[in-house]
Amino acid sequence: EVQVVESGGGLVQPGGSVRLSCAVSGLTLINSEMNWVRQAPGKGLEWVSSISISGRTANYAESVEGRFTVSRDNGQNSLHLEMHSLRAEDTALYYCVADFETMVNYYWGQGTLVTVSS
Amino acid sequence: SSELTQPPSVSVSPGQTARITCSGDALPKKNAYWYQQKSGQAPVLVIYEDFKRPSEIPERFSASSSGTMATLTINGAQVEDEGDYYCYSRDKRGDRWVFGAGTKVTVL
Repeated sequence: EVQVVESGGGLVQPGGSVRLSCAVSGLTLINSEMNWVRQAPGKGLEWVSSISISGRTANYAESVEGRFTVSRDNGQNSLHLEMHSLRAEDTALYYCVADFETMVNYYWGQGTLVTVSS
Repeated sequence: SSELTQPPSVSVSPGQTARITCSGDALPKKNAYWYQQKSGQAPVLVIYEDFKRPSEIPERFSASSSGTMATLTINGAQVEDEGDYYCYSRDKRGDRWVFGAGTKVTVL
């Protein structure tokens, strides 16, 4: 059984930083592109970032580009998201999501909540 | 604003057919994906690469894509199919992804 578990969320002040982590078990990440998707309270899904299998290519939504950095450690089967210069509008449940074969965003975690507020 | 446009809501009676559309300029060249999200739960992939269905998804879910429109169809919708449905595809640049705003499906 594949398990995706996010951690690192919490309350952070505007302008602050936080690092999210994602641990994956039951799936070898060297075969999967990985993604971060967020959902603000009561709102729809928003793609945040994707990273290639090798980790050499990363893409970001315009809303976070230059502030967020995604990385992965295939040896540790983990994914990370460094978030800086946080704004109130970054408040959301952040999901770590793994592709499986050609099925994009197949395995989802339960999310970790980031609240940006003073 | 989203580059994929979905209707805010669709309502059907149990056993009827629900159709959810998703329009986007990049869809003629990019695959569409569909996700179901029930209240308080993480999303679930129901359709990938325009029309393919993961093995665990019921056959009543199907989809197609033609031109700038992708369509998710639920044949014989059931009460447990209620939830929010999101389409997903690449943006015009091709290196970013975008979700539609979501369609709330009510079956009652």
